[in-house]
Amino acid sequence: DAMVIQNPRYQVTQFGKPVTLSCSQTLNHNVMYWYQQKSSQAPKLLFHYYDKDFNNEADTPDNFQSRRPNTSFCFLDIRSPGLGDAAMYLCATSRADDTGLRDFGPGTRLTVT
Amino acid sequence: RKEVEQDPGPFNVPEGATVAFNCTYSNSASQSFFWYRQDCRKEPKLLMSVYSSGNEDGRFTAQLNRASQYISLLIRDSKLSDSATYLCVVKRSGGSYIPTFGRGTSLIVHP
Repeated sequence: DAMVIQNPRYQVTQFGKPVTLSCSQTLNHNVMYWYQQKSSQAPKLLFHYYDKDFNNEADTPDNFQSRRPNTSFCFLDIRSPGLGDAAMYLCATSRADDTGLRDFGPGTRLTVT
Repeated sequence: RKEVEQDPGPFNVPEGATVAFNCTYSNSASQSFFWYRQDCRKEPKLLMSVYSSGNEDGRFTAQLNRASQYISLLIRDSKLSDSATYLCVVKRSGGSYIPTFGRGTSLIVHP
């Protein structure tokens, strides 16, 4: 089935140790998003790609970077994770002409020790 | 004022009850509206879009009130399996592709 896949599902990293989360999609959607969701909070948009165009939210810390080498893949790099970065990281996709998000990946739960 | 606001709940209701949630939005130019369902420690999944004239999908009814800037979700004949967090999602107009999520309303349906 066409879907959004995130790897790994659970990631443990040490304070300050760089970590990369990955997302892939078989939907051929133009737009890919990275959200951070902490417990009992709304998903918070970090950035999104419209094709290769990168769009950073104003309040996304510099510690968070992203790469989209091709349509199918998108990566979230956390350069120096802090304890406050522990969260669920959700990747989502949509078509450019869509009226809203349709497909989320299952998320990667990040723990920082 | 937050762009999208929801009462976090929890709403604790017995099986078979009817329950309604509201979600208010601050941007009058908002164009598209959705309800998502999120189970504990899982990703959000689209429940239903919200159309201007209101729409129904089985036991679920969604309404939009543009004048008062809120959307609502009504669940009839609640089932245990309806227990989840319901996220309101609002998309701005003007060519933006960025929906804004509310923090969600927690529903607990008990026997």
